[in-house]
Amino acid sequence: EDKVVQSPLSLVVHEGDTVTLNCSYEVTNFRSLLWYKQEKKAPTFLFMLTSSGIEKKSGRLSSILDKKELFSILNITATQTGDSAVYLCAVPSQGAQKLVFGQGTRLTINP
Amino acid sequence: GAGVSQSPSNKVTEKGKDVELRCDPISGHTALYWYRQSLGQGLEFLIYFQGNSAPDKSGLPSDRFSAERTGGSVSTLTIQRTQQEDSAVYLCASSLVWWGGNDNEQFFGPGTRLTVL
Repeated sequence: EDKVVQSPLSLVVHEGDTVTLNCSYEVTNFRSLLWYKQEKKAPTFLFMLTSSGIEKKSGRLSSILDKKELFSILNITATQTGDSAVYLCAVPSQGAQKLVFGQGTRLTINP
Repeated sequence: GAGVSQSPSNKVTEKGKDVELRCDPISGHTALYWYRQSLGQGLEFLIYFQGNSAPDKSGLPSDRFSAERTGGSVSTLTIQRTQQEDSAVYLCASSLVWWGGNDNEQFFGPGTRLTVL
């Protein structure tokens, strides 16, 4: 059964800190790995990763995939209170017909 | 254009009642997904529609749950004889599926928070 595990489940840091969120996966016929940010209800798309070792970057957020070790990390530098959210990692399962999500990491940025 | 919309945004019902949740996907998106998120949990896949193909119902937790998609657009998720454990946020997503390409970026709606008393 396809599985995604995220760690830590919860993280509290001070504004300005750098954080690294982890996602490991087990999936047959890997196609891609996706990161979402969920602040209230609707998860919003951050990154889609398909190739190992190629960093994707958007402002202070960056992510990289390791297909050999089956994990991805999401880095946030110079964190701000607006970064507080649940960060979800997901992989398409069964030929990309549905997403299997991890439990999420609840990130809290204190001023 | 507009994103995925869902209605109602909140629904409170009594145990044993039926509820219907609605999802309007992004225009032109052929794939539509329903997920459930219980308090403090990740998203749990429920059902997937792709074009005119038979839906993938493998995630539906019981036969009290059903969904339909009319005209390849709007979808309704129905929960019959609701139970307290059905309380969750129900999220709908849609995607434009390109076969053989980088696909499956799913755009999520705001969800419906269902509370069963």
